[in-house]
Amino acid sequence: AQSVTQPDIHITVSEGASLELRCNYSYGATPYLFWYVQSPGQGLQLLLKYFSGDTLVQGIKGFEAEFKRSQSSFNLRKPSVHWSDAAEYFCAVGTANQAGTALIFGKGTTLSVSS
Amino acid sequence: GAVVSQHPSWVICKSGTSVKIECRSLDFQATTMFWYRQFPKQSLMLMATSNEGSKATYEQGVEKDKFLINHASLTLSTLTVTSAHPEDSSFYICSARDDRVRNTGELFFGEGSRLTVL
Repeated sequence: AQSVTQPDIHITVSEGASLELRCNYSYGATPYLFWYVQSPGQGLQLLLKYFSGDTLVQGIKGFEAEFKRSQSSFNLRKPSVHWSDAAEYFCAVGTANQAGTALIFGKGTTLSVSS
Repeated sequence: GAVVSQHPSWVICKSGTSVKIECRSLDFQATTMFWYRQFPKQSLMLMATSNEGSKATYEQGVEKDKFLINHASLTLSTLTVTSAHPEDSSFYICSARDDRVRNTGELFFGEGSRLTVL
C-alpha cells in the first residue's frame, strides 16, 4: 500500500534562509508525487508535481523538489524563504494510470518563518 | 482553469440535524471526486471516492449511512452529514480529477467546508 512520511512535524526557518522539507514515500511502482501548501482555514494549493522525466521539478513561488528513486524521497526546497511562506505543507503520492485512485497525504509539516 | 468550488465554507448546526456540502468543478468535468476530512493540525484523511452515476466507495471506518455522497452529474458531488454530532465537527475538503487529464493523478481541491456541530 502507498504511504507518505513527512519526518518533520514543525520547522522554523529565518526569513531569507534556505528551506528543505523532507518527504519519503512507499509505493511499488513509479509514483506520481505532489507537494501542496495550505494556509490556515484554507484549501490546498498545488506547489509542484512529478510524473516522469526530469527528476528536478520547478513549482510556483520559487519552490522546487527533487525525485530520488533510490531514496524514495521527494524533498521540497526553496533557496530563500519569505514570511508569507509560513503555512502547512503536505506531500502526497498517487498511483500511476489509475484515474480512480485518490492521493495519499503525509501528515504535514508546519513551517514557521522567523524575522 | 481547473477550479473546484465548495459550499458552504462555514456551517454551524445543532446536534441531530443534517448538513449538505456541495462540491462543484466549475470549468471541467469530473467523473471522479474525492472527499477528505481534516482534523485540526492533522493531515487529510480520505473518506470516500465518488464516481458519477454510481455508488461511492468508502474508506474503512467511514460510516456510509452517516456520510451520504451523491455524484449526480459530472460537475457536482454532495456530501450530507446526517444526524450530525459534535464529533463530526471537522474541515471537509473535496477534490476532483479533470477528465481530460485523468491519467496524471492530479487532483484539484476545493477550499474546504468548516462544520461545527453544537
